[in-house]
Amino acid sequence: DAMVIQNPRYQVTQFGKPVTLSCSQTLNHNVMYWYQQKSSQAPKLLFHYYDKDFNNEADTPDNFQSRRPNTSFCFLDIRSPGLGDAAMYLCATNLGGRAVYEQFFGPGTRLTVL
Amino acid sequence: QKEVEQDPGPLSVPEGAIVSLNCTYSNSAFQYFMWYRQYSRKGPELLMYTYSSGNKEDGRFTAQVDKSSKYISLFIRDSQPSDSATYLCAMEYNFNKFYFGSGTKLNVKP
Repeated sequence: DAMVIQNPRYQVTQFGKPVTLSCSQTLNHNVMYWYQQKSSQAPKLLFHYYDKDFNNEADTPDNFQSRRPNTSFCFLDIRSPGLGDAAMYLCATNLGGRAVYEQFFGPGTRLTVL
Repeated sequence: QKEVEQDPGPLSVPEGAIVSLNCTYSNSAFQYFMWYRQYSRKGPELLMYTYSSGNKEDGRFTAQVDKSSKYISLFIRDSQPSDSATYLCAMEYNFNKFYFGSGTKLNVKP
């Protein structure tokens, strides 16, 4: 089945130790998103790529970076994780163009910062 | 003021009840209005979307948008225990960007 895959599902890191989260998609969608979702809160958009065009939200901390080496893969790098960065990180895709309403989400990576 | 406000619940109803879930928003530029369902430890999945004002029905689900009041609703008829999940409203702005509500946790008791 076509899908959005996130690895790992659970990630534990130490305070200040860089971590990379991975997302891949078999949908061949143009747009890929990263969201941060803390417990009982709304998913918060961090950034998105439309093809190779990178769009950063104004309030996304500099500590968060992203790479999209090709259509299928997108990475979230957290350079120096703090305790406040512990959250579920959701990757999503969207076909783009007129189909703006539908995003396909991966299962998420739950990040713990010790 | 948050862009999207949603009552977190939890909302507990007996099986077969009609459920009403609601969101309010502040930005009149929103055009697409979506409802996502999120099961525990899973990513959200799209249930329904509506473009601009009006109603849309899909089986037991009805989505309603009132742009004049900046208010959207999702109704679930004949609710089932399998409907137990967190329901998130979402709104599209500025082409390919989305604001989400914080979600309402629904529990349908057998």
